[in-house]
Amino acid sequence: DVKVTQSSRYLVKRTGEKVFLECVQDMDHENMFWYRQDPGLGLRLIYFSYDVKMKEKGDIPEGYSVSREKKERFSLILESASTNQTSMYLCASSFSTGANYEQYFGPGTRLTVT
Amino acid sequence: AQSVTQLDSQVPVFEEAPVELRCNYSSSVSVYLFWYVQYPNQGLQLLLKYLSGSTLVKGINGFEAEFNKSQTSFHLRKPSVHISDTAEYFCAVSRVAGNQFYFGTGTSLTVIP
Repeated sequence: DVKVTQSSRYLVKRTGEKVFLECVQDMDHENMFWYRQDPGLGLRLIYFSYDVKMKEKGDIPEGYSVSREKKERFSLILESASTNQTSMYLCASSFSTGANYEQYFGPGTRLTVT
Repeated sequence: AQSVTQLDSQVPVFEEAPVELRCNYSSSVSVYLFWYVQYPNQGLQLLLKYLSGSTLVKGINGFEAEFNKSQTSFHLRKPSVHISDTAEYFCAVSRVAGNQFYFGTGTSLTVIP
């Protein structure tokens, strides 16, 4: 079974703190993604990576950065957390092509910024 | 660019009744299509996908979807729903030559006993 794990299920941080969200996948997937999910807005892509040390901005990259130093790990960084970053954060991974092409999701991290 | 429209944000349905969740997409290139389900406080789980071949796709939990290229639709159906089908459902599209997925805003299915 493909496993995508996220470092925390629930996280509470204060405004201005630096926040790290970690995601690890065990299927040797090339692609990894970070989304945020808010009621009524669906999933919005923050950043994705198609290879180690490579990254692409998604639809809402402002206030976020990412790091991919190893193929299996993709980190999302909030440099200075703000209350409008309170959300559910979902990590996903996928192959680039093939019969098994789909995105596999982690369980999510519910982040509250106070 | 690709976009996905889920026409109904909420769908209430009685137990054992049939249900259809609608999804339309726009794209100028060939696409792959997906339906995901999300139970409360969990990540998304794949229900079914269309990559090629038969336009009628069967998935897990008795769900199926039909790819209609002329109408750019990929509606999800189940002939008889159960209480356990209560969840959020997301339609997604990806370009055949791309890596990025585009998700709809979701449909909340509530099954009424």
